[in-house]
Amino acid sequence: SSEPTQDPALSVALGQTVRITCQGDSLRNYYTSWYQQKPRQAPVLVIYGKNNRPSGIPDRFSGSRSGDTASLTITGAQAEDEADYYCNSRGSSANHRWVFGGGTKLTVL
Amino acid sequence: EVQVVESGGGLLQPGGSLRLSCAASGFSFSSYEMNWVRQAPGKGLEWVSHISSTGNTKYYADSVTGRFIISRDNSKNSLYLQINSLRAEDTAIYYCARESPSVDWYFDLWGRGTLVTVSS
Repeated sequence: SSEPTQDPALSVALGQTVRITCQGDSLRNYYTSWYQQKPRQAPVLVIYGKNNRPSGIPDRFSGSRSGDTASLTITGAQAEDEADYYCNSRGSSANHRWVFGGGTKLTVL
Repeated sequence: EVQVVESGGGLLQPGGSLRLSCAASGFSFSSYEMNWVRQAPGKGLEWVSHISSTGNTKYYADSVTGRFIISRDNSKNSLYLQINSLRAEDTAIYYCARESPSVDWYFDLWGRGTLVTVSS
């Protein structure tokens, strides 16, 4: 299965809302998880399943899905939300067990 | 503390080999399926390989099939990745990632990664 597609870069004004999308065939069959990665740090899970946040992730992060498109929404973006965001889903075959989107670089203005 | 810690990276020449390790602690390692994910400099995340909790089932990305071998030793709470015939394009940070047993499918624990640089 091919890699899900994400916008390479987005920007959002401080305190405003931004939606990061991820599109791909595999997203129709499996939930999408989202990871935040700041420079020189490991990825951190921010959303999984239908719309679940791990402990410690602020409730301004939420997830949704419609058809082949999954979305990560940040409502009231903060300066510390500036990071790369990757979507991830199960793939459709053994040699594509997991697929990642290309990532979206989010800038908070 | 629940964590995984990678080691074994370094500067290697093309054609060489190395083995990466991932030491798990704070959880029942033998109950979890595990993965390796890599990230080339300035690039995105790429899934590399998966191993079942018992080690009986293994999967590889097309880009590494035939050169990489994933394994684990549950008695030592450790995951491994043998990398052979190194290429410049294998240069990346290699992360060990725990697969959640949930049917929601996601990686719920990541290490800090170990850097592999392939250069002559």
